[in-house]
Order: sequence, then C-alpha cells, then structure tokens
Amino acid sequence: DAGVIQSPRHEVTEMGQEVTLRCKPISGHDYLFWYRQTMMRGLELLIYFNNNVPIDDSGMPEDRFSAKMPNASFSTLKIQPSEPRDSAVYFCASNQGAGGRSEQFFGPGTRLTVL
Amino acid sequence: SQQGEEDPQALSIQEGENATMNCSYKTSINNLQWYRQNSGRGLVHLILIRSNEREKHSGRLRVTLDTSKKSSSLLITASRAADTASYFCATVPTSYGNNRLAFGKGNQVVVIP
Repeated sequence: DAGVIQSPRHEVTEMGQEVTLRCKPISGHDYLFWYRQTMMRGLELLIYFNNNVPIDDSGMPEDRFSAKMPNASFSTLKIQPSEPRDSAVYFCASNQGAGGRSEQFFGPGTRLTVL
Repeated sequence: SQQGEEDPQALSIQEGENATMNCSYKTSINNLQWYRQNSGRGLVHLILIRSNEREKHSGRLRVTLDTSKKSSSLLITASRAADTASYFCATVPTSYGNNRLAFGKGNQVVVIP
C-alpha cells in the first residue's frame, strides 16, 4: 500500500481564498483523522471520522472549516475563507479498529501558507 | 483538555550515546504511544504501551509507563544520526473512549555524528 496520501503537499494562497486539502486513507482503514500542526499549538486534532461518518468535530476552530468524507477512500478539509492564522501543516491519518487502540498512520502533510 | 506533555527540552547528544525523553499526563489513560517526526515529514508510530504494562521494548527503544506518577519515558539506546527527529508522546484518555489521541508538544533530539 502507498500509505496515506495527501494533496497538495504545499499550498500558498491569499487571504479570503478557499482552500481544499485532500486525503486518501490506507485501504481498509475505517478511521480517518485530520490534524493541524503549528509551532505555537503543537499537533491538534480537528475532526475524525469512523466509517465515513464524522464522530467528533470539536477541534474544528471555526465555521470557516469544514470536512467531508464522501466515501471510504477520500476526505477533504476545506477552509473558506482562509486567513493568515490558518497557516500550518495539516496532516491526515488513518487506522483500523478503534482510533486510539492502535497506531495511526500519518500522511506527509500539506503545508498551507495564507498570505 | 488532557494531553501528553513532554519535558520541553531540546536534546543534543553524540552518536552512540543514549537519549531519554519524558512525558507526563494528567488523567487516566487506556494507552500511551510514542511517535517520531523527521523534519518536513509526517509522524511515524514507534511503540504503544497499554495502561497495564510497565515496560516495553522495540529494537533500540525502551518505553516505561508509571501510571501512579502519570508519566512515561522513551529511551533510545546507541543513538544514530538518523535518530535526529522530534519525538511525541500521545495518550488515549479514558474519557475519550478508545477513539482519539492527545499529543504533547514534542521533544527535539539532535544526534551529532
């Protein structure tokens, strides 16, 4: 398996623009997680899905953030409108079984810069 | 919210030396995991220790867990330059069920060849 795939790897956009980040989890994994990493706040869980259903979105910072998982092999994280403080590295991770019972497999991340 | 917290120290050691990192947490946990992150990369799982375990080994890694002190340590023996990375502990708080991890801020380790 190719592992968790994220695209794009780098995104530079201007404030106010819509940003869409994409993730393809490992085949067969039923949990998918979106994290955000910054120097100031470390690694934060934004939202996670189980069997394509959002379970906990309490980490989503504002209504400008939304996430979807239309099928088992694809998820998106959208920011609309984007702001400079959204600049961070966004990671997608997946695993099988229960999210904390076993290791999570992380993608390479998307480095987002909002000017 | 509860989360693992590493000692906030950057560690710089010579190749061949041992590196030890500590992690403390605040509430009851189901398990504790350690991850490594190389610069510009995603996190890679290293080891998982359950709340009823006290010590676990994997290759050059040794993890201990003291639930009475709510702390864990990660020891890397005979370090190599390739061990240069940030190391994160992550807990699975019982209040979260088994579904999510709470990560600490990470501990940067530099191994000098």
